[in-house]
Amino acid sequence: AQSVTQPDIHITVSEGASLELRCNYSYGATPYLFWYVQSPGQGLQLLLKYFSGDTLVQGIKGFEAEFKRSQSSFNLRKPSVHWSDAAEYFCAVGNKAAGNKLTFGGGTRVLVKP
Amino acid sequence: EPEVTQTPSHQVTQMGQEVILRCVPISNHLYFYWYRQILGQKVEFLVSFYNNEISEKSEIFDDQFSVERPDGSNFTLKIRSTKLEDSAMYFCASSETTSGGDEQFFGPGTRLTVL
Repeated sequence: AQSVTQPDIHITVSEGASLELRCNYSYGATPYLFWYVQSPGQGLQLLLKYFSGDTLVQGIKGFEAEFKRSQSSFNLRKPSVHWSDAAEYFCAVGNKAAGNKLTFGGGTRVLVKP
Repeated sequence: EPEVTQTPSHQVTQMGQEVILRCVPISNHLYFYWYRQILGQKVEFLVSFYNNEISEKSEIFDDQFSVERPDGSNFTLKIRSTKLEDSAMYFCASSETTSGGDEQFFGPGTRLTVL
């Protein structure tokens, strides 16, 4: 069965500092991997996705993620965080063979200090 | 930019009552989903729907749950007899295809509170 683990429940980072959010997945085949962001009162917005090709993926809002098959990881990074990046971030793996369902990690809440 | 909308934003109901959560997916999308998030827990898949049929459902999606596309625009989730443990945020999503890596667009959610 597929699963996703986000080891960090909360991360606090200073504005302008770099950010890395960890994601580990378990999936039997080539995974389809996603990062979503949720701001308070909002739905989930896709930041980026990986399903094949270049293992370094660029997304919106200056985010990138690197797929490492050997480590079963898909960590999200941003070189310089802005106050508006304060939100909850979810990693997910998609299963095309099962109705395209997404399995989510528990989320990481990012707080940005001025 | 097209978006998925959900109504109501917050629904309060008594245990045992029926509720219907409504969603309007993006107009050219063909695949529809419901997820839920109990407070403090993960977002969980409930069901996917295509061509007026359920494609996949989770263990959570038991006989108390049903989905319907009653017309060309709405997609509904019905809970027949609500339980306290059904209290959660319910998210609707839609996608154009189910190609590998296809993005699911999520609505803002309906917070269901069962008393």
